[in-house]
Amino acid sequence: AQTVTQSQPEMSVQEAETVTLSCTYDTSESDYYLFWYKQPPSRQMILVIRQEAYKQQNATENRFSVNFQKAAKSFSLKISDSQLGDAAMYFCVTNTGTASKLTFGTGTRLQVTL
Amino acid sequence: DVKVTQSSRYLVKRTGEKVFLECVQDMDHENMFWYRQDPGLGLRLIYFSYDVKMKEKGDIPEGYSVSREKKERFSLILESASTNQTSMYLCASSLWGAPGTEAFFGQGTRLTVV
Repeated sequence: AQTVTQSQPEMSVQEAETVTLSCTYDTSESDYYLFWYKQPPSRQMILVIRQEAYKQQNATENRFSVNFQKAAKSFSLKISDSQLGDAAMYFCVTNTGTASKLTFGTGTRLQVTL
Repeated sequence: DVKVTQSSRYLVKRTGEKVFLECVQDMDHENMFWYRQDPGLGLRLIYFSYDVKMKEKGDIPEGYSVSREKKERFSLILESASTNQTSMYLCASSLWGAPGTEAFFGQGTRLTVV
């Protein structure tokens, strides 16, 4: 069984600043994937970034990057140059197996202030 | 533009009613999922299907059933709705055999059982 823990229910960041969202996970699988999904007020779930567990290099997507520490089972998301449109609920997610069942954390609500 | 469409954004039903939540995807995906989203709990998997007429229980299947008669359509059924099933329901789809691939989500149905 997989578990995902997000210990920060809410975070706040000023526009143009940098914020890091934390996530830890537990899995007995050797091959798995990690994701950050974003759910804005529109409720549409959007993929932000993905990381393959067998790759040591941290994934980056424009202003979004991850710090993947496999031994510590840690997968944090860094948002640089925060924008008002980044305000959303962010979910840390793991995935294993061909059936691609996603296991979600409880989410971190990010507020972006002027 | 890829799409997962849920039939209703908001739904109000009475206790004891039989409720159908419909989901259609146009991406020819094999996998389809129903999740329930509650504050502080993240998304929890109710049922998933990886082929027509195939279904597998997720983490919280009690009180729910599903139907997948066609590849593009996956229905969630509440046989006798109860107030503790008041929640947000999200449908998702993804490719079979590709756990690193993106899952696509509908916009959710907010169900209230009174």
